[in-house]
Amino acid sequence: KQEVTQIPAALSVPEGENLVLNCSFTDSAIYNLQWFRQDPGKGLTSLLLIQSSQREQTSGRLNASLDKSSGRSTLYIAASQPGDSATYLCAVRFGAQKLVFGQGTRLTINP
Amino acid sequence: EAGVAQSPRYKIIEKRQSVAFWCNPISGHATLYWYQQILGQGPKLLIQFQNNGVVDDSQLPKDRFSAERLKGVDSTLKIQPAKLEDSAVYLCASSYLKDSMAFFGQGTRLTVV
Repeated sequence: KQEVTQIPAALSVPEGENLVLNCSFTDSAIYNLQWFRQDPGKGLTSLLLIQSSQREQTSGRLNASLDKSSGRSTLYIAASQPGDSATYLCAVRFGAQKLVFGQGTRLTINP
Repeated sequence: EAGVAQSPRYKIIEKRQSVAFWCNPISGHATLYWYQQILGQGPKLLIQFQNNGVVDDSQLPKDRFSAERLKGVDSTLKIQPAKLEDSAVYLCASSYLKDSMAFFGQGTRLTVV
């Protein structure tokens, strides 16, 4: 079964810290992986897309890496700010078809 | 560029009633998705369209849920009859191709009482 897991479910850090969010998946034959942000009561905002042939993607203070062989991706957030507080979701596209989501990590940045 | 539009934003219905949600994807996007997100969980794919054809509906409860995408553009998702456990946010998303970045709408929050 193709599954995506995000641990921890919740994370709280002080402002200014660099942090890493984790995503693991069961099948290494992925097509691509996407990271999303979800604010309370809102839809999902796409952050980064990594194709299976890539090792990492960067956008501003965000850097996402992909290691297919170990079934892992990480989202690195540099110099965290209170505005980064949200739930971060990882979604894996298996076989260029279904986009499967993890449960998300609820991130709180404390001023 | 306009984003994915969904309506209504909120809906409260009694169990056994019917309800319909509407989605207008980003112009030119061939792939359209409907997801169900229960509070505290990640989104679960209900159905995926490629143009007006169904690519995946393996997790759609077909005895009560139906969806269509007329002319390969707008889509509607219907629940009939609704159950208490259908209370969730229903998210619509679209992508240019089936393996491209997906963009989501604001969602419809359904409460079944």
